[in-house]
Amino acid sequence: DAGITQSPRYKITETGRQVTLMCHQTWSHSYMFWYRQDLGHGLRLIYYSAAADITDKGEVPDGYVVSRSKTENFPLTLESATRSQTSVYFCASSDGGGDGYTFGSGTRLTVV
Amino acid sequence: RKEVEQDPGPFNVPEGATVAFNCTYSNSASQSFFWYRQDCRKEPKLLMSVYSSGNEDGRFTAQLNRASQYISLLIRDSKLSDSATYLCVVTASGGSYIPTFGRGTSLIVHP
Repeated sequence: DAGITQSPRYKITETGRQVTLMCHQTWSHSYMFWYRQDLGHGLRLIYYSAAADITDKGEVPDGYVVSRSKTENFPLTLESATRSQTSVYFCASSDGGGDGYTFGSGTRLTVV
Repeated sequence: RKEVEQDPGPFNVPEGATVAFNCTYSNSASQSFFWYRQDCRKEPKLLMSVYSSGNEDGRFTAQLNRASQYISLLIRDSKLSDSATYLCVVTASGGSYIPTFGRGTSLIVHP
């Protein structure tokens, strides 16, 4: 299916565990982004990527790692999950043009 | 000053009303502007891009005022289904294409 997909949709993990959130897009968009959304904070940029093998930190990168070996995939890894990382995570992609940004349906992560 | 500011609301309006939201941005070099709609913690979805000359899509009209650094969204003849959070998005120039999102304005349309 064409589009941008995130997996899993829901995840419960324990403090200290490593967890990876997946993001896959089928448009070959150059730009991909990871956001977290918490009540009272809106969308906060964690990491972004302008192309394969090019990634950079956003507003709240601590505790997260990303990679982008292929244009279509942009996984986000929590190296050692903490309760403060309980959030809704959205992945987005864009071709850099006027069509804006398309979001995946999100991953709801709970760290217990 | 925050980069992109919106009145969080909520704006509580009856069906059929006209409602307007403003969004101010601080970076005068901002290049692209959008309005997004987000329903109840689902993913944000593009409502419309905002062009310098202003643009309209059905009941929705978006305007850009570069001199005063704000964009606006006007919704005419509000429907119950318009109830959502509306996010203002601004993208800086320079090729980075990193969007900055406002925190959103909540709209509640009641019967």
